[in-house]
Amino acid sequence: DSGVTQTPKHLITATGQRVTLRCSPRSGDLSVYWYQQSLDQGLQFLIHYYNGEERAKGNILERFSAQQFPDLHSELNLSSLELGDSALYFCASSVARGNTGELFFGEGSRLTVL
Amino acid sequence: QQQVKQSPQSLIVQKGGISIINCAYENTAFDYFPWYQQFPGKGPALLIAIRPDVSEKKEGRFTISFNKSAKQFSLHIMDSQPGDSATYFCAARDKAAGNKLTFGGGTRVLVKP
Repeated sequence: DSGVTQTPKHLITATGQRVTLRCSPRSGDLSVYWYQQSLDQGLQFLIHYYNGEERAKGNILERFSAQQFPDLHSELNLSSLELGDSALYFCASSVARGNTGELFFGEGSRLTVL
Repeated sequence: QQQVKQSPQSLIVQKGGISIINCAYENTAFDYFPWYQQFPGKGPALLIAIRPDVSEKKEGRFTISFNKSAKQFSLHIMDSQPGDSATYFCAARDKAAGNKLTFGGGTRVLVKP
């Protein structure tokens, strides 16, 4: 158990809909990272938050947004969903900006868009 | 663009054999190279990591070899066991980009008993 909690574990929705994925980092971790894992593209970095502030953006679509709240949990919002958004979405946390590089991953949220 | 290239995509090895996974990178700003192991239904978990000032690091049956001049690094799994069957990801950290990790495409390893 990594200590990172993601909900929901599974989500099935229709094209055009909007969903919110939630992540609770390990106790004390200030950084939260979101990654998308699809079959053909491995783990793609989406966005990084540190203590409530956005720090880095990857190839995150404009239809996607995220935020980190004062209690350090994070939410990833996916809107106007398309079939191609079906993937596993992972949240990871780490201790601080100057961390050793170890990210602790949750078990992911599997999104299926029909 | 794929900044970290990983090969092979999959490999099958007999129990007791050696599994070798290779990664190559281009960004010279990368300063930390971890390997993650992922079992089905689970998130990736750190397996072993190396810094570019070291050419080799060994932890139990797992060894990372690092060639800074060639910008390549590899994972060797010695005496592979069925419990090692998993997907392995190499990664690289860009400290200047908020410590985010860029992952390779993953290698699915199957160890046959």
